[in-house]
Amino acid sequence: DIQMTQSPSSLSASVGDRVTITCRTSQTISKSVNWYQQKPGKAPRLLIYAASKLQSGVPSRFSGSGSGTDFTLTINSLQPEDFANYYCQQSYSAPLTFGGGTQVEI
Amino acid sequence: QVQLVESGGGLVKPGGSLRLSCAASGFALSDYYMSWIRQAPGKGLEWISYISSGGHAIYYADSVRGRFTISRDTANNSLFLQMNSLRDDDTAIYYCARDLGIAQPAYFDYWGQGALVTVSS
Repeated sequence: DIQMTQSPSSLSASVGDRVTITCRTSQTISKSVNWYQQKPGKAPRLLIYAASKLQSGVPSRFSGSGSGTDFTLTINSLQPEDFANYYCQQSYSAPLTFGGGTQVEI
Repeated sequence: QVQLVESGGGLVKPGGSLRLSCAASGFALSDYYMSWIRQAPGKGLEWISYISSGGHAIYYADSVRGRFTISRDTANNSLFLQMNSLRDDDTAIYYCARDLGIAQPAYFDYWGQGALVTVSS
């Protein structure tokens, strides 16, 4: 199985900050990484697919980059509604696996 | 518009069974891969099963293989998860999700609201 190591597990930030979350995979997986946002009591929401493609309806302050084994989710100018948990997920091979999550808090 | 609505969750004793349903609307199940993903209380996401658009390819995570069965009813546009031999560590919110994979599962653009399954004596 492909392991997803996400860091940090939590971070504190302020409105307007630039936030970076990283995900490292246990083997090279091209660009097969996707990112989700989850708010308490809600289902996850797809933000980025194929490492860097912005899902329809997602604000442009969210961006993704990386290939191979190292991937990054960046949130430019953090907004109050961005305080949430974020997860990476690989779609290179089954079983599909998620990172452990990053809690972005004030 | 696309909507996924799970039902069938509840409290069950260890060793018991439960069947989750996911009613899809706004699209045809036969056109998409579909997955079940769960989240234990306060924990991260765990993908547990998918079924291909054609219904012929099915895959399970090791944690549920042999105990859980994914199926679908394309006439009623519903997805199911039959869960047998339930254990305490199966306690979680279970989500059905639409997968945008073509030849293999990929990523999930629509999710249901989740169904809580609690396994406890």
